[in-house]
Amino acid sequence: KQEVTQIPAALSVPEGENLVLNCSFTDSAIYNLQWFRQDPGKGLTSLLLIQSSQREQTSGRLNASLDKSSGRSTLYIAASQPGDSATYLCAVISGGSEKLVFGKGTKLTVNP
Amino acid sequence: EAGVVQSPRYKIIEKKQPVAFWCNPISGHNTLYWYRQNLGQGPELLIRYENEEAVDDSQLPKDRFSAERLKGVDSTLKIQPAELGDSAVYLCASSLVWGAQETQYFGPGTRLLVL
Repeated sequence: KQEVTQIPAALSVPEGENLVLNCSFTDSAIYNLQWFRQDPGKGLTSLLLIQSSQREQTSGRLNASLDKSSGRSTLYIAASQPGDSATYLCAVISGGSEKLVFGKGTKLTVNP
Repeated sequence: EAGVVQSPRYKIIEKKQPVAFWCNPISGHNTLYWYRQNLGQGPELLIRYENEEAVDDSQLPKDRFSAERLKGVDSTLKIQPAELGDSAVYLCASSLVWGAQETQYFGPGTRLLVL
């Protein structure tokens, strides 16, 4: 059974700092890995989707990497802003499962 | 373009009462998902529809939960009777089709509190 773990559970940083969020998964046979953002009282917004054959994806100040063999992914946020404050969720689709399995998320607070 | 619409946004009921949630996916999206998100946890899939057909309902507690998507567009998720442990956020999502390359678009969710 696929399990997804995110560390840390919460992170507080000053504005402007670069930061890294971590995600690990137990079964390396995945189709893809996605990073989502969730704001309080709102649904999830997809940030980046990395196919199993890819090593990384970039969108603006966000860069996500994938190391399938070690079961790890990182989300790098450059020059953080208060508007980046949210919960970031990592999710994978495993081969043979056909469903997204989510981690518990990392709650990020960027202080002005 | 309108996103995934859910209603109601909030619902408070007493245990043993019935409750229903409604979802309107993004126009043209054939695949619809219902997730449940408990406090401090990631969402967990309850059921996935391909058009009108429920293709994965293995996580749906069928003794009290039911869902339908009669015309392959809107969907309703029902709980009867509700229990205290059903308190959670119920999220609806949709995607154009099912596939590993497809992004799922989530609605704002319905926050359910069972007293």
